[in-house]
Amino acid sequence: AQSVTQLGSHVSVSEGALVLLRCNYSSSVPPYLFWYVQYPNQGLQLLLKYTSAATLVKGINGFEAEFKKSETSFHLTKPSAHMSDAAEYFCAVSDQAGGSARQLTFGSGTQLTVLP
Amino acid sequence: NAGVTQTPKFQVLKTGQSMTLQCAQDMNHNSMYWYRQDPGMGLRLIYYSASEGTTDKGEVPNGYNVSRLNKREFSLRLESAAPSQTSVYFCASRAYIAGEQETQYFGPGTRLLVL
Repeated sequence: AQSVTQLGSHVSVSEGALVLLRCNYSSSVPPYLFWYVQYPNQGLQLLLKYTSAATLVKGINGFEAEFKKSETSFHLTKPSAHMSDAAEYFCAVSDQAGGSARQLTFGSGTQLTVLP
Repeated sequence: NAGVTQTPKFQVLKTGQSMTLQCAQDMNHNSMYWYRQDPGMGLRLIYYSASEGTTDKGEVPNGYNVSRLNKREFSLRLESAAPSQTSVYFCASRAYIAGEQETQYFGPGTRLLVL
């Protein structure tokens, strides 16, 4: 069974400050890990994904995440927050088995507020 | 290329009424999914279809049925709506390429209010 824990349901940062959104996962098999972003009244959009090729993954809009197996973490960071980054962010895990039936398990989400 | 489309965008139902949420994708994806999103709970899988002709229950299937009409379309039916089914419903699709981790693509969502 897989699970995802996102620490902090709400995070506020000032414009230009570092963004750090935390994600820890639990998986009995090697995981695939994802970060999705959801803007108000929209669907989810993929920010980045870890597929075991490299532990540091770069995504869209200047975001990156580092897979740390020893800490079972996949935290999302951005060096300098922009007002347009305000959104809800979801971490998700999928195992490397399952083939066409592979599923995603989502965390409960972190709402990011960017203060001027 | 519209990606994943959902209809309707918004619906209000009375308790006991039925309705079908429609989802279609034009990316030739094998797998399709229905999720519900509730505040503080992330997205929870209701049903999925790994390939055309197959459907399976997810985490929260009670009160729902699905139909994989063809490769493009995957519908979600509420036979007798309950206030607990008030939620935002998302459809997603994914290609299946052996040995690769494919991205799930999401539709814009259907907001359902059951009174």
